[in-house]
Amino acid sequence: DTEVTQTPKHLVMGMTNKKSLKCEQHMGHRAMYWYKQKAKKPPELMFVYSYEKLSINESVPSRFSPECPNSSLLNLHLHALQPEDSALYLCASSQADRQSYGYTFGSGTRLTVV
Amino acid sequence: GENVEQHPSTLSVQEGDSAVIKCTYSDSASNYFPWYKQELGKGPQLIIDIRSNVGEKKDQRIAVTLNKTAKHFSLHITETQPEDSAVYFCAAMISGNTPLVFGKGTRLSVIA
Repeated sequence: DTEVTQTPKHLVMGMTNKKSLKCEQHMGHRAMYWYKQKAKKPPELMFVYSYEKLSINESVPSRFSPECPNSSLLNLHLHALQPEDSALYLCASSQADRQSYGYTFGSGTRLTVV
Repeated sequence: GENVEQHPSTLSVQEGDSAVIKCTYSDSASNYFPWYKQELGKGPQLIIDIRSNVGEKKDQRIAVTLNKTAKHFSLHITETQPEDSAVYFCAAMISGNTPLVFGKGTRLSVIA
């Protein structure tokens, strides 16, 4: 299995809702990432987990809460979002080895906040 | 930190012609330079990559060149086809356990 699977593919949520995005990989990768991508922009790093521990938080607002329950799963919990948080949320994984490069991206979750 | 500049932001070519996209990076410690293709509604897909100990790499119609001295690398697509139309991102990375830094992207349109 050489894929990163993200669910759901599309999500519409109100500003008072709580929802979660899910990401799964079975390639044995030990680093997992959340990126946010606005239209016509490159992906923007949000969080990095390495060996199930949060290693990078790019000053992301607390209304986004990541979780890595095990080496194959990555969640992003969403609460009290704003309309400007509407974007494509991408998950990626890599080997987390200094000499091993290359990220595999999922297809993303298209989030709309109303 | 690393900064990656990418040009042009948009590129239109006739089917069958070649397309070239150029990137420069700022951190001489960067070691790995991937190129991603992103189609509408999909995540970025790795199409080719190059490491700093190699000057050129080719895979069928796609090639990447790297000039470490000048700190720039380029993507070359020959015999372009309509299905090559997409957004292409270059990126740079220092090592396998540092984040990937993306360029701003190039929207390539191949006109049949």
